[in-house]
Amino acid sequence: QKEVEQNSGPLSVPEGAIASLNCTYSDRGSQSFFWYRQYSGKSPELIMFIYSNGDKEDGRFTAQLNKASQYVSLLIRDSQPSDSATYLCAVKDNYGQNFVFGPGTRLSVLP
Amino acid sequence: DARVTQTPRHKVTEMGQEVTMRCQPILGHNTVFWYRQTMMQGLELLAYFRNRAPLDDSGMPKDRFSAEMPDATLATLKIQPSEPRDSAVYFCASGLSPQGPYNEQFFGPGTRLTVL
Repeated sequence: QKEVEQNSGPLSVPEGAIASLNCTYSDRGSQSFFWYRQYSGKSPELIMFIYSNGDKEDGRFTAQLNKASQYVSLLIRDSQPSDSATYLCAVKDNYGQNFVFGPGTRLSVLP
Repeated sequence: DARVTQTPRHKVTEMGQEVTMRCQPILGHNTVFWYRQTMMQGLELLAYFRNRAPLDDSGMPKDRFSAEMPDATLATLKIQPSEPRDSAVYFCASGLSPQGPYNEQFFGPGTRLTVL
């Protein structure tokens, strides 16, 4: 059973701070990793994907991947109240097409 | 603009009734996924299709749920008979295959189902 784990939160950070969201996965065969953001009552939308060890930056977002530790994280710099949402980590291997989603971390950015 | 559409957006029904949810994937996408999301279980994969063929429906209760793709522009998820525990938001997502490390999924707006 492939598992993806996240701290459910809520994670509260002040506006302007760095929010750090973490995700661990059980399947060593996992090859690609996705972060989705889901606002309350809305559908998930992709923020970033990463498939190489190291960091990947896109604007205020940085995804970090460590395959040896089976760990992926998302950093949000200069957090804004509009970043308040649930962040879902998803993991995929190269053999299947389906994703395995984590339970999500609820982030609250306080003005 | 290209997006996944789902109908109906909301459905309230009584226990025992049949429920049919529809999804139109993004034009040109050849994989379709059905998910169920609840507060307790999070986002669960129910079934997925590639080129209209079902590849995995192991997450779906077979006795009451069925999923089909009658053509490339329509996917359906049916529950018969419905039960209160089926109350959830059902998402459809579509994507592209062949296999690749970064093939993302695009989600539809979801169908919020309430079974009384």
